Amino acid sequence: EDQVTQSPEALRLQEGESSSLNCSYTVSGLRGLFWYRQDPGKGPEFLFTLYSAGEEKEKERLKATLTKKESFLHITAPKPEDSATYLCAVQANFGNEKLTFGTGTRLTIIP
Amino acid sequence: DTGVSQDPRHKITKRGQNVTFRCDPISEHNRLYWYRQTLGQGPEFLTYFQNEAQLEKSRLLSDRFSAERPKGSFSTLEIQRTEQGDSAMYLCASSRNNEQFFGPGTRLTVL
Repeated sequence: EDQVTQSPEALRLQEGESSSLNCSYTVSGLRGLFWYRQDPGKGPEFLFTLYSAGEEKEKERLKATLTKKESFLHITAPKPEDSATYLCAVQANFGNEKLTFGTGTRLTIIP
Repeated sequence: DTGVSQDPRHKITKRGQNVTFRCDPISEHNRLYWYRQTLGQGPEFLTYFQNEAQLEKSRLLSDRFSAERPKGSFSTLEIQRTEQGDSAMYLCASSRNNEQFFGPGTRLTVL
């Protein structure tokens, strides 16, 4: 069974204080690893897809990286508007279309 | 706005009643997904359609749940004889390739 574990559960940072969120996964053949941002009461917002170990993608203050066992979401010089829950999900090979999500990291950026 | 839309956004019902939710995907997206999310958890996969065909169903989808996508466009999710444990956010997503784009969700409260 596919599993995704995210850490830490919650993270409080000062504005401008860079850090990383971790996503560890086990999957029967990885088709893709996905990062989403979710604000309270809203649906997840797509950020990145990573397909193979060594791949990196960037968007504004966010950079996602992938190894064979985990992914990191690096946040550089965050701003209060980056406060949200960040969700990681995996999609397996062999015809599966579903995403298996972790429980997320709740990020709070303090001005 | 051409994103995924869901209706209603909120639904309060009494235990034992039937409820139906609607999802309109992004136009030209042939794949449509339903997920359920409870507080503090990541979304859990329920079912998947490619065009009008329902191709995957989770074991979470009990006999009281039924989903349709009659013309390969919008989809409905019906819950019969609701139980308090059905209280959750029901999320719809659509995709054309691998990336799944989520709607705002329908928040269901069963009293």
